[in-house]
Amino acid sequence: KNQVEQSPQSLIILEGKNCTLQCNYTVNPFSNLRWYKQDTGRGPVSLTIMTFSENTKSNGRYTATLDADTKQSSLHITASQLSDSASYICVVSQGDQAGTALIFGKGTTLSVSS
Amino acid sequence: DARVTQTPRHKVTEMGQEVTMRCQPILGHNTVFWYRQTMMQGLELLAYFRNRAPLDDSGMPKDRFSAEMPDATLATLKIQPSEPRDSAVYFCASGLVLGRALGEQYFGPGTRLTVT
Repeated sequence: KNQVEQSPQSLIILEGKNCTLQCNYTVNPFSNLRWYKQDTGRGPVSLTIMTFSENTKSNGRYTATLDADTKQSSLHITASQLSDSASYICVVSQGDQAGTALIFGKGTTLSVSS
Repeated sequence: DARVTQTPRHKVTEMGQEVTMRCQPILGHNTVFWYRQTMMQGLELLAYFRNRAPLDDSGMPKDRFSAEMPDATLATLKIQPSEPRDSAVYFCASGLVLGRALGEQYFGPGTRLTVT
């Protein structure tokens, strides 16, 4: 069964600290992996998209890694800010004919406190 | 700054009433998605369209939900009759599929539906 699992479910860190969110997936065939940030009361916003051949991708203080062999991805946030408080959703795109089969994780809720 | 728009942003209705949610996708995107998000289930795909044609609506309760795209600038999601278990946030998203690859997916702000 195609699944995307994220850990931890929730996380609280102090402003300025780093953190790493995990995503494990069992999706075949694999097309790409996405990380989204969803602020409370808003729609998800794309942070990164990584294909099979990409190991690392950065977007400002966000760095995503992908290990296609172990089917794991991580999202590292450096020097966290209060505005990083949000839900982070890992999404794996299945390589179907339509190119649109997206398998969503349930997200990690990050709280950054001062 | 192109963005997906959704109306209404909030809707409170009584059980049994019809609810219509509207979405304007980003111009030039050929694929439009409807999602539902609840605390328990996270984001669930309800239906999606390619070039205005419905490709998959297997995520929708067929007896009460319907999705249409009457033109390239408007997608609608209708619930009739609505039930309390339909209470959720409904998101529309659009993106461009080239070949078999979906590029960036852009979400609207969502419609928060409460059915009493």
